[in-house]
This record gives sequence, structure tokens and C-alpha cells, in this order.
Amino acid sequence: DAGVIQSPRHEVTEMGQEVTLRCKPISGHNSLFWYRQTMMRGLELLIYFNNNVPIDDSGMPEDRFSAKMPNASFSTLKIQPSEPRDSAVYFCASNPEAGHQPQHFGDGTRLSIL
Amino acid sequence: GENVEQHPSTLSVQEGDSAVIKCTYSDSASNYFPWYKQELGKRPQLIIDIRSNVGEKKDQRIAVTLNKTAKHFSLHITETQPEDSAVYFCAASGAAGNKLTFGGGTRVLVKP
Repeated sequence: DAGVIQSPRHEVTEMGQEVTLRCKPISGHNSLFWYRQTMMRGLELLIYFNNNVPIDDSGMPEDRFSAKMPNASFSTLKIQPSEPRDSAVYFCASNPEAGHQPQHFGDGTRLSIL
Repeated sequence: GENVEQHPSTLSVQEGDSAVIKCTYSDSASNYFPWYKQELGKRPQLIIDIRSNVGEKKDQRIAVTLNKTAKHFSLHITETQPEDSAVYFCAASGAAGNKLTFGGGTRVLVKP
């Protein structure tokens, strides 16, 4: 299996621009998670989906952040408008929902907002 | 919600010595405890996990222990090698679905 696939790997953009991060979970995994990692705040869960439905979005920092999962093989995390404090590494992870299975992480998107 | 505390934040050991990282959690309903290793610039990768019906689990040089009464669990790495240098994260998942709460991480440096 190819694992969780994220794109782009790196993104540099100016503040105020819209940013879209993409994730393809492992085939057959019906739970998908978006995390943000910074030195100050560590690894934070932003939102997670079960069977394409958002279950817990309590970690989404502000209305500028939104996430969608239109089908079982694709999810996006969007920031609009972006701000310098959004600079971080964003990870996507997936697992089978049932029975507390390990989450498998993608390689992440390193986002820099200038 | 769940709160996971991890100690120490940094750990320096001599090659061949043991390393121990400790975590505590707040939700007594938590029943799944994975450990992840993250090398610089890479993604977190699962190294071992334990479920609440087990008190200890071992995989070669890595072991995890769980004390449900005290709500803490620990990672033990024996015979450390330079390639064990990384950041290690503990996590806990409770009855509230599939969600993991991560500890703050421990940066381990193994000195040759």
C-alpha cells in the first residue's frame, strides 16, 4: 500500500492567500484525521472524520479553517485567509474505525505563510 | 476531555544505556495507548501500542507498561543505539471514539 498521501509537501505563500492541503487516506481506512504540529503547541488534532462525516472539529482554531471529505479517498483542509501564525507542519492520518487501530500518518505539508 | 502529560521533555543517554519515558492520562475510560517515534523532518511512526487489558508488551528492545489504577504508562528502550535518537510521543484514546490525545513529546539523544 502507498500509505497516506499528502500534497503539497511544501507550501510558501503570502498572508491573506487561500491555502488548500490535500490528503488521500489508505484504501479501506474509514477514519481520517488532520493534525497541526508546531514547536510551541506540539501535535494538535484539528478535526477527524468517520465514513466521510466530520465527528469532532473542536480543534479547528478559527472560522478561517475548514475541512471537507467529499468521498472515502480524498480530504482537504483549507485556510482562508492565511496568516503567518498558521505556519506549521500539517499531518493527515487514517485508520480503520473499529477496535482502536493505529493511526498511520502521511509525510505532512510544511506550510509557511509570509 | 482527555489530557496527556509526558516526561521528561528531553532525555540524553549514553549508547547502550536504557531510556524511560513516562506519561500520565486523565480519562479513566481511555483504553488504547500508542507510542510514536518522529525523526527530524519525518512523519510520526507507530513503534508500539498497548491496550488496557494488558499490563506490559515487549517488542525486541522496546517495552511498554501500563498501570490503569494510577493512570500512567511508560516506554522503555534498552541497549539504546544512535538511531534511537528522535522525538517520542505517547498518546491515549478513550471511550469517546477514535480520537487520540498526544503528549508533548520527549526528545531523546543517544550519545555514541
